[in-house]
Amino acid sequence: EDQVTQSPEALRLQEGESSSLNCSYTVSGLRGLFWYRQDPGKGPEFLFTLYSAGEEKEKERLKATLTKKESFLHITAPKPEDSATYLCAVQAGDYKLSFGAGTTVTVRA
Amino acid sequence: DSGVTQTPKHLITATGQRVTLRCSPRSGDLSVYWYQQSLDQGLQFLIQYYNGEERAKGNILERFSAQQFPDLHSELNLSSLELGDSALYFCASSATLGGETQYFGPGTRLLVL
Repeated sequence: EDQVTQSPEALRLQEGESSSLNCSYTVSGLRGLFWYRQDPGKGPEFLFTLYSAGEEKEKERLKATLTKKESFLHITAPKPEDSATYLCAVQAGDYKLSFGAGTTVTVRA
Repeated sequence: DSGVTQTPKHLITATGQRVTLRCSPRSGDLSVYWYQQSLDQGLQFLIQYYNGEERAKGNILERFSAQQFPDLHSELNLSSLELGDSALYFCASSATLGGETQYFGPGTRLLVL
């Protein structure tokens, strides 16, 4: 069974204090690894898709990287509006997404 | 805005009742996925439909069923509701059978009293 573990569970940052979120996974036949952002009571908002080890993608203050066992989401110089829960998910041969529990990021001004 | 719509936004009902949640995928998307999100379980995959046919099942209870109609909208039916069914229910869509990004709707919050 696919397993996705995210750490830490919660992260409190000062504005401008860069940090990284970890997503480790066990899956047979990875098709893709996805990062989503979720605000309270809202649907997950797509951020990135990574398909192979060594791949990197960037969007504004966020950068996602992928190895064979884990992915990192780096947040550079975060702002209060970056506060959210960040979800990692893997997709295997059956196409469903298996999600981690998420990392809740709080950025204080 | 992801382009996926879900109705209703909120639903309050009693134990033993039956409800129907509706989802319209993004224009042109053929796959629809249903997920349940509760505080203790996180986001859990329930079921996938592709162009009207069921393609994958997750941890979906027998009391739950879904279908996708010719116009590609989908409905999730929940029956004999229990307190533990209270959760956020999300629909997601993707262009084809799989392997690409799934875009999520705003969700339906179900409260069973």
